[in-house]
Amino acid sequence: RKEVEQDPGPFNVPEGATVAFNCTYSNSASQSFFWYRQDCRKEPKLLMSVYSSGNEDGRFTAQLNRASQYISLLIRDSKLSDSATYLCVVRGSNYKLTFGKGTLLTVNP
Amino acid sequence: EAGVAQSPRYKIIEKRQSVAFWCNPISGHATLYWYQQILGQGPKLLIQFQNNGVVDDSQLPKDRFSAERLKGVDSTLKIQPAKLEDSAVYLCASSQFTNEQYFGPGTRLTVT
Repeated sequence: RKEVEQDPGPFNVPEGATVAFNCTYSNSASQSFFWYRQDCRKEPKLLMSVYSSGNEDGRFTAQLNRASQYISLLIRDSKLSDSATYLCVVRGSNYKLTFGKGTLLTVNP
Repeated sequence: EAGVAQSPRYKIIEKRQSVAFWCNPISGHATLYWYQQILGQGPKLLIQFQNNGVVDDSQLPKDRFSAERLKGVDSTLKIQPAKLEDSAVYLCASSQFTNEQYFGPGTRLTVT
């Protein structure tokens, strides 16, 4: 089983749609969880951290279920500028980050 | 604040040749990371430095890859000899202690 597994995608949605990304992780001792965004041919950038209580940043909502070892990201009212690859990231010991393969999102006009 | 700098941005070499990448982290960041990102995959950690000491190099193919950070600032990653499967983007990142990692623009390596 891979350490971090994501929906394979790609996702193609119209502007204004709601889209959800799912991710599972295998190491129950993982300490912190994140979603990163990576634009085409650019470096990854932190989108948001993920907490057990759930957290929201504008149109973005992230959820963590430690019991199920499951992480999600919800994007509401999607914009053209949301088109990117979304990477699920888990931090373990020594603060090492393990990335999923990423899910490509294309928002269409 | 200047970001993480990397050079070169692009490199094309033939298999069995050697290549070196350079990274200058954000000023004051003690932790430096090198990642390999193969097309269609997420970044994979190759090596992590804390100042000039190695914290984790468990996924570094040590028979051909080497990295150093002699003065706890700049770092170089070397591949010798290169193989076709080394074609990837090599990303450098830095962080201040356990805080957010900031990535450089990467070096896109093509091995022919």
